[in-house]
Amino acid sequence: SQQGEEDPQALSIQEGENATMNCSYKTSINNLQWYRQNSGRGLVHLILIRSNEREKHSGRLRVTLDTSKKSSSLLITASRAADTASYFCATDAGGGATNKLIFGTGTLLAVQP
Amino acid sequence: DAGITQSPRHKVTETGTPVTLRCHQTENHRYMYWYRQDPGHGLRLIHYSYGVKDTDKGEVSDGYSVSRSKTEDFLLTLESATSSQTSVYFCAISEGGQGVADTQYFGPGTRLTVL
Repeated sequence: SQQGEEDPQALSIQEGENATMNCSYKTSINNLQWYRQNSGRGLVHLILIRSNEREKHSGRLRVTLDTSKKSSSLLITASRAADTASYFCATDAGGGATNKLIFGTGTLLAVQP
Repeated sequence: DAGITQSPRHKVTETGTPVTLRCHQTENHRYMYWYRQDPGHGLRLIHYSYGVKDTDKGEVSDGYSVSRSKTEDFLLTLESATSSQTSVYFCAISEGGQGVADTQYFGPGTRLTVL
């Protein structure tokens, strides 16, 4: 089965800096989603980008999608200590009506105050 | 956590015993999912449901069964727990009906330890 692979596995930055995480996947998709998970908690949906979109913004988040390279990136601008969390990309199965997501292994972001 | 509760939140059990985890939603969403999360593996889908009494297997379904007798409840049963099933289990829901995968909302998780 296809899987999103995040890169890097871990990232440590200073507060105020930007954080960029990348996701690669293997087969065609209908959409790609990003989720955040704070330690010990469930995942929280951040943003969904459809296969016909190239860029999407939500507050300090910017997501890009390059379907020709089968990759996506999540940019968090002006990071805060509260952004410390794991970030996961998730892809659907593509090609048909399915409501399943396949999650990557995540990027652990640490924002130092 | 979007009207999703999981019970119990923590459980320690012995190898060979049956275990049932419960997911309850108040959102009336059609789809419900059970995932397990393990270090280095991310989230892996165990089973999911697309309606009352309608369920299907996910990526790692061996050793697990599910039931959904009401829209709001989705039960995950480990028929005979093994140490390899020690994990954090998450329930999720989604509205469905879009024809493609839509946003999922997650419960707080259940930490299961099998000794």
